[in-house]
Amino acid sequence: GQQLNQSPQSMFIQEGEDVSMNCTSSSIFNTWLWYKQDPGEGPVLLIALYKAGELTSNGRLTAQFGITRKDSFLNISASIPSDVGIYFCAMGTGGTSYGKLTFGQGTILTVHP
Amino acid sequence: DADVTQTPRNRITKTGKRIMLECSQTKGHDRMYWYRQDPGLGLRLIYYSFDVKDINKGEISDGYSVSRQAQAKFSLSLESAIPNQTALYFCATSQTAGTDTQYFGPGTRLTVL
Repeated sequence: GQQLNQSPQSMFIQEGEDVSMNCTSSSIFNTWLWYKQDPGEGPVLLIALYKAGELTSNGRLTAQFGITRKDSFLNISASIPSDVGIYFCAMGTGGTSYGKLTFGQGTILTVHP
Repeated sequence: DADVTQTPRNRITKTGKRIMLECSQTKGHDRMYWYRQDPGLGLRLIYYSFDVKDINKGEISDGYSVSRQAQAKFSLSLESAIPNQTALYFCATSQTAGTDTQYFGPGTRLTVL
């Protein structure tokens, strides 16, 4: 099956620090998505990337779709306590399989005030 | 009101019991999905349905079955629950085409004793 590796598995940072996490795959994909899961909730979409090389921002969040279409990163600037949660990357193949995603293992983010 | 709802939110059951988890959505999406989440393993796809007459196995379908009763309803059954099916279960929906974005319900925490 498709292999998707997300790192790091967990991060413990101080409020105000910047955060970076990434995902790599063994295959080429058409879509990279980044989700955040708050404790006790379902994942919520943060950023969607559809073109190789695309760099997209959403407030303090920035994500990029790698040129090779096999990787993506998510950066969070000036972290705040409410950034705590699990961050997932997900990849999609598009075409007739639009909506069918493969998820990374998740990065658990802890922010100390 | 939430667009994707799941019932029950929590369930404790015993080995061998039949369990049904239900998902309803008001987003008007044709595509629906069931995932399970285990610590360190991310979200793994159990079953998915691209329309009312379409059912497909995902990555980990053994021990599970599904029913798509209507466009808005997609239920997951454990015919004979076992302890290693203890997990957090999520339902998700997506549009028919043109986007890979999935929208998640709040999850059902299932414990099999």
